[in-house]
Amino acid sequence: AQSVTQLDSQVPVFEEAPVELRCNYSSSVSVYLFWYVQYPNQGLQLLLKYLSGSTLVKGINGFEAEFNKSQTSFHLRKPSVHISDTAEYFCAVRGTDKLIFGTGTRLQVFP
Amino acid sequence: NAGVMQNPRHLVRRRGQEARLRCSPMKGHSHVYWYRQLPEEGLKFMVYLQKENIIDESGMPKERFSAEFPKEGPSILRIQQVVRGDSAAYFCASSPGTGYGGQPQHFGDGTRLSIL
Repeated sequence: AQSVTQLDSQVPVFEEAPVELRCNYSSSVSVYLFWYVQYPNQGLQLLLKYLSGSTLVKGINGFEAEFNKSQTSFHLRKPSVHISDTAEYFCAVRGTDKLIFGTGTRLQVFP
Repeated sequence: NAGVMQNPRHLVRRRGQEARLRCSPMKGHSHVYWYRQLPEEGLKFMVYLQKENIIDESGMPKERFSAEFPKEGPSILRIQQVVRGDSAAYFCASSPGTGYGGQPQHFGDGTRLSIL
């Protein structure tokens, strides 16, 4: 069975500071990993995805994530956050068809 | 906007009524997925459909819930005899459906269902 654990439910950070949102997964099949962002009252927008190849994946809005097979992690990072990055972030794993989501991390950026 | 279109954006129903949620996938996408997001929780998979076929309904409640994706028209998620616990945001996603698991799913803005 596949599962995703997002270790932090909330991450407060000041503007222009770096941030890391943690995600651990378990999967017995080939792993496809995704990070989505959800702004208030909106749907999910794809930030980035890992399918294969380079373990460092770059996405939109300056975000990147590193796939670590030995630690079964796929942490999301950004070197300098903006107020506009305030949102809910979801890590997800996909094996065959459906996405399995973590419970989300609320990133709150303060001025 | 050629994205996934869901309507209505907000839906209010009284207990016992029926709720119908519609989803038009992105152009060229033949696979549709429905997810439910309860307050302060992540998204939970409900059902996966292709045109005229239900592929995986392992996340659907056994009673009152049904989904379809007809040959023509949008996908419909139907909830009969709604109860307070059905209050949630329901999201639809679509993908091209080449069979390749790495294809990302594209999400609509959701329908927020409130039960009075």
